[in-house]
Amino acid sequence: GENVEQHPSTLSVQEGDSAVIKCTYSDSASNYFPWYKQELGKGPQLIIDIRSNVGEKKDQRIAVTLNKTAKHFSLHITETQPEDSAVYFCAAINDYKLSFGAGTTVTVRA
Amino acid sequence: AAGVIQSPRHLIKEKRETATLKCYPIPRHDTVYWYQQGPGQDPQFLISFYEKMQSDKGSIPDRFSAQQFSDYHSELNMSSLELGDSALYFCASSLGGGQSKNIQYFGAGTRLSVL
Repeated sequence: GENVEQHPSTLSVQEGDSAVIKCTYSDSASNYFPWYKQELGKGPQLIIDIRSNVGEKKDQRIAVTLNKTAKHFSLHITETQPEDSAVYFCAAINDYKLSFGAGTTVTVRA
Repeated sequence: AAGVIQSPRHLIKEKRETATLKCYPIPRHDTVYWYQQGPGQDPQFLISFYEKMQSDKGSIPDRFSAQQFSDYHSELNMSSLELGDSALYFCASSLGGGQSKNIQYFGAGTRLSVL
């Protein structure tokens, strides 16, 4: 099955700085890579995703990059704000089943 | 826009009791997924249904069963509850077919506490 590794497990950044979270996956057949943001007591919320035929995707302050050869994908958050504080999960899908990374707790210091 | 609805939001049960969790997918979504999330952990896939048929199975205990009904809502039935079953249970839904089948939207979850 798919194995997704995520680093770092915690990340503290100053407001306005950038945050980067990195993930690797094991199954070369995985073809869809979503990122979820989970706030305390809430369900994971899809914030951005990328498919295997695309190398980069950007949505305002959030961008995701994918290196299929190396099986790496990363989330970049620029100009961080206090409301970006949450747990972020990367995931990989082969067919229907989501395999999540262990999560990164991001804290944005005001 | 309508989201995935889960009920109840909180549930407290005793050991060896039975619990039923309900999930109402986003309108027109035909695929439902169940996940279990322990404290400080990532969600673990349990089971999924597409068009009322089981489509995939993960680490779901034999004490648990689930089904998807004709209106596409789903129920997760948990019997002989154990302390270790205490967790957040999430339901997600997607629209089957084509590339959109992979985009899963999550509900707010049901927090199950087994005492």
